[in-house]
Amino acid sequence: DIQMTQSPSTLSASVGDRVTITCRASQSISYWLAWWHQKKPGEAPKLLIYKASILESGVPSRFSGSGSGTEFTLTISSLQPEDFATYYCQQYNSYPITFGQGTRLEIK
Amino acid sequence: EVQLVESGGGLVQPGGSLRLSCAASGFTFSSYWMSWVRQVPGKGLEWVANIKEDGNDKYYVDSVKGRFSISRDNAKYSLHLQMNSLRAEDTAVYFCATYTGSRRGFDDWGQGTLVTVSS
Repeated sequence: DIQMTQSPSTLSASVGDRVTITCRASQSISYWLAWWHQKKPGEAPKLLIYKASILESGVPSRFSGSGSGTEFTLTISSLQPEDFATYYCQQYNSYPITFGQGTRLEIK
Repeated sequence: EVQLVESGGGLVQPGGSLRLSCAASGFTFSSYWMSWVRQVPGKGLEWVANIKEDGNDKYYVDSVKGRFSISRDNAKYSLHLQMNSLRAEDTAVYFCATYTGSRRGFDDWGQGTLVTVSS
């Protein structure tokens, strides 16, 4: 199984800050990586980025994704109040599909 | 507009069974792989199972193999998850989702249904 490891687990930041979340895969997944935003546990997450760097329609351009192989990043260029949430990476290169453990982005 | 509405969640005793359903509308159901994803309260997301458009290919996470069964009825635009031999660790919100492995992965999601396994 491919393990996805996110860092950091928790990130404290302020409105307007630039933040980066890293996701590492235990083996190469090419570009088969998605980034998700979840405001509250138990609510359906929202897709931000797919295929590592493609911005989902309707998602603000302050979000960007990069990487391939085993190392990936999600960058938010200027944090907005609605961005404080939990972020998950997820690989869909092979079964079982796996998610990272999540990064909680909180207000400093 | 794509709509996915889960139902069938509730409280069940350990060792019991439950059948979840997902009613789909707003898209051609038979053209999409479908998925179940769950989230333990306060924890992360976990993929559970996928089923191919025609129902002939199915994939499961190891922790549910032999206990859960995913199925679909394309004529009725419905997806199901039969859950047997339930354990406390199966307690979670279960989401159904459309899946396009060659594009976005999980596309549209339902609102989820809570399954609680407890005596």
